[in-house]
Amino acid sequence: NAGVTQTPKFRILKIGQSMTLQCTQDMNHNYMYWYRQDPGMGLKLIYYSVGAGITDKGEVPNGYNVSRSTTEDFPLRLELAAPSQTSVYFCASSPGRDGGDTQYFGPGTRLTVL
Amino acid sequence: GDSVTQMEGPVTLSEEAFLTINCTYTATGYPSLFWYVQYPGEGLQLLLKATKADDKGSNKGFEATYRKETTSFHLEKGSVQVSDSAVYFCALSASGGGADGLTFGKGTHLIIQP
Repeated sequence: NAGVTQTPKFRILKIGQSMTLQCTQDMNHNYMYWYRQDPGMGLKLIYYSVGAGITDKGEVPNGYNVSRSTTEDFPLRLELAAPSQTSVYFCASSPGRDGGDTQYFGPGTRLTVL
Repeated sequence: GDSVTQMEGPVTLSEEAFLTINCTYTATGYPSLFWYVQYPGEGLQLLLKATKADDKGSNKGFEATYRKETTSFHLEKGSVQVSDSAVYFCALSASGGGADGLTFGKGTHLIIQP
């Protein structure tokens, strides 16, 4: 049981480039999330999804896009990368029963934009 | 909006010392409360949680009690070990379905010296 997997682990982008961060979960969870973690800060929610075909913005969605075509996958797209997007990105999932559900996190993708 | 405030780090203790990391929150309704731990280079793992007032969450010798009257969820451990060195995050999930993710504190870096 792999849980939540993310690829790549590390990536360096040049300003203006685009990329997709991959996230897959094998727990059949309904809810999935993308967070970013900046140094010395807690995690901030970028986007979330409550099921296939349904996505919504979190606290910091600008510069990102998501899609959810299957229950398992929730890719995060960065268009026109900017230095402000240098961060560690975490994907998470939860069963989606109620607010007390545990969220399960992937290992993260460390992105640097130069 | 919802917010979580936790004590700033780093917190440095000697092995076998008593640990308290303070966490207070602001939220409407009845949130669920969580402590997550992040070991170096890894994603976040759930340490413990409480979903209603006066509940006590516990795991691996750590405890925290959901105090609605003081809007607090302080983390305690009676005797810390070097292996407890990590970053600890307090978080809340707003009442309801939990779809809109967790609100995190900034994290507290705990360093345990032998």
